[in-house]
Amino acid sequence: GENVEQHPSTLSVQEGDSAVIKCTYSDSASNYFPWYKQELGKRPQLIIDIRSNVGEKKDQRIAVTLNKTAKHFSLHITETQPEDSAVYFCAAIPAGGTSYGKLTFGQGTILTVHP
Amino acid sequence: GAGVSQSPRYKVAKRGQDVALRCDPISGHVSLFWYQQALGQGPEFLTYFQNEAQLDKSGLPSDRFFAERPEGSVSTLKIQRTQQEDSAVYLCASSGYRGNTDTQYFGPGTRLTVL
Repeated sequence: GENVEQHPSTLSVQEGDSAVIKCTYSDSASNYFPWYKQELGKRPQLIIDIRSNVGEKKDQRIAVTLNKTAKHFSLHITETQPEDSAVYFCAAIPAGGTSYGKLTFGQGTILTVHP
Repeated sequence: GAGVSQSPRYKVAKRGQDVALRCDPISGHVSLFWYQQALGQGPEFLTYFQNEAQLDKSGLPSDRFFAERPEGSVSTLKIQRTQQEDSAVYLCASSGYRGNTDTQYFGPGTRLTVL
């Protein structure tokens, strides 16, 4: 099955700096890669996603890049703000009728943005 | 409209007790997923429903875990004879279509503590 590795496990930045979180996946058939933000005690919330037919997607201060050859994808947050502090999870969904869209998550990155 | 809701939000059980966790998906959503999130980890897939049919239960850790969605809307995850290793947050997610790359919307989770 799919295996997703995420790093770093913790990331500390100053307000205004950029933050980058990287994930690798094992199943070359995976075709959908969402990123979720989870604040303490709250539900995971989708912040951005990318499908395998594009290499980059941007939404205001957040961008995601995908390298299918290397089987890795990254989350980029620019101009970080204290409210960006949370746990971020990458995930992957393999293609194929029996995957049913079940997400395989990375281990999470605790991002702390210092004012 | 309303998002995914789960109840109870917190559950404390003595070892050996049975528990039932409820998920109310977004109205009209076809797909429903259950995930288990251990402390400091990413969610892990448990089971998947498409309407009332349970199409994948490969992630259920033992035969003490049972899930149902009899009318294709509300779902219940039941754990019999709870053990300490069952302590985790149980997340429910729903998505609108059968496609495997559709956005999954998560509920707030039920935090289960087994004493």
